[in-house]
Amino acid sequence: GAVVSQHPSWVICKSGTSVKIECRSLDFQATTMFWYRQFPKQSLMLMATSNEGSKATYEQGVEKDKFLINHASLTLSTLTVTSAHPEDSSFYICSADTLATNSYEQYFGPGTRLTVT
Amino acid sequence: RKEVEQDPGPFNVPEGATVAFNCTYSNSASQSFFWYRQDCRKEPKLLMSVYSSGNEDGRFTAQLNRASQYISLLIRDSKLSDSATYLCVVNEEAAGNKLTFGGGTRVLVKP
Repeated sequence: GAVVSQHPSWVICKSGTSVKIECRSLDFQATTMFWYRQFPKQSLMLMATSNEGSKATYEQGVEKDKFLINHASLTLSTLTVTSAHPEDSSFYICSADTLATNSYEQYFGPGTRLTVT
Repeated sequence: RKEVEQDPGPFNVPEGATVAFNCTYSNSASQSFFWYRQDCRKEPKLLMSVYSSGNEDGRFTAQLNRASQYISLLIRDSKLSDSATYLCVVNEEAAGNKLTFGGGTRVLVKP
């Protein structure tokens, strides 16, 4: 149980275009979903936290107008990288937690590797 | 000072040997701690939760020292498959269950 999927697993796009990444909890309802970014040889950095039906909370330094997050249901959150630039190339990982368990464990998706050319 | 700090390594470990490394955290109010394992170009996977004074799971032992604000991970009888980056993660409950990741410790187990 507790499987999180992401789509696409990798994407190459041209500079200036927008890319949408989906994060789905497949067998549970996610109370909260988190979006992380990881640059090469660095650790995961939290970008934003989202709860279903409400606006996402962005971490300091993350542009909310550039990284649009929509949490439409308890099983789906999307991250749209708008007007992508080469410096946005990174590994984007989502995670989800649930109140159904008594732990604070987050379940991670397999990640999406974005390359902007 | 970083919120969660780790020695980046790499720790070069002979197969069968024991390796241990620490992680320090800055928020004394933190209550929940985890060790995650991340393989190259993959997502992190939960290795162990550390909720109290520490716990053991097979060859892996995690210890928590609240007074000194560090947690440790010890791997006994290292296997080649233990080669990975080990991420120390602190849960900030007061910040809405936010996870803060350390930079990771790279472990290379060699035959």
